[in-house]
Amino acid sequence: AQSVAQPEDQVNVAEGNPLTVKCTYSVSGNPYLFWYVQYPNRGLQFLLKYITGDNLVKGSYGFEAEFNKSQTSFHLKKPSALVSDSALYFCAVRGSNQAGTALIFGKGTTLSVSS
Amino acid sequence: GAVVSQHPSWVICKSGTSVKIECRSLDFQATTMFWYRQFPKKSLMLMATSNEGSKATYEQGVEKDKFLINHASLTLSTLTVTSAHPEDSSFYICSARGTKYNEQFFGPGTRLTVL
Repeated sequence: AQSVAQPEDQVNVAEGNPLTVKCTYSVSGNPYLFWYVQYPNRGLQFLLKYITGDNLVKGSYGFEAEFNKSQTSFHLKKPSALVSDSALYFCAVRGSNQAGTALIFGKGTTLSVSS
Repeated sequence: GAVVSQHPSWVICKSGTSVKIECRSLDFQATTMFWYRQFPKKSLMLMATSNEGSKATYEQGVEKDKFLINHASLTLSTLTVTSAHPEDSSFYICSARGTKYNEQFFGPGTRLTVL
């Protein structure tokens, strides 16, 4: 069965500091991995994805994520956090051999960036 | 490209009434659409998967007679919450995937409040 774990309910960082939001996954076959951000009362906004290729993926708004197969992780990172990055972040996964299935989401991590 | 819309964006209804939510893929054909439900500050829970022209596949624990899903065309899926009750109040998000994408595109969500 597919699953995604986001071990932290909340991450607090000061503006200008680097941030990391953790994600680990379990999936059969090769993983398709995604990060989404959600602002209050809004839908999901796509940040980045890993399908194949380079393990370091760069996405929107200066975010990046590194795929680590041995650790089954796909942590989201940003070198310098902004107050406007404060939001709810979701990691999601689907197996490459499960073309018809939906993305499975982690429970979400609330990022709070203080000024 | 790859825009998904939902209508309405919010709805308030009385207990016992039925509510229909529409999900449209605006610039691509969506062979598969997914419906998620999200409680406040919680993850997205997959409710059902629908493929155009066939019956929806519901996740365990989701009442198919209460949450009616129709995917009559390649650009439209509808979710009807029948005989709504206050516990059905939630944020409903649809997602669509076309034939040439590996990712799902999400609608902006519909906030349902049942009084």
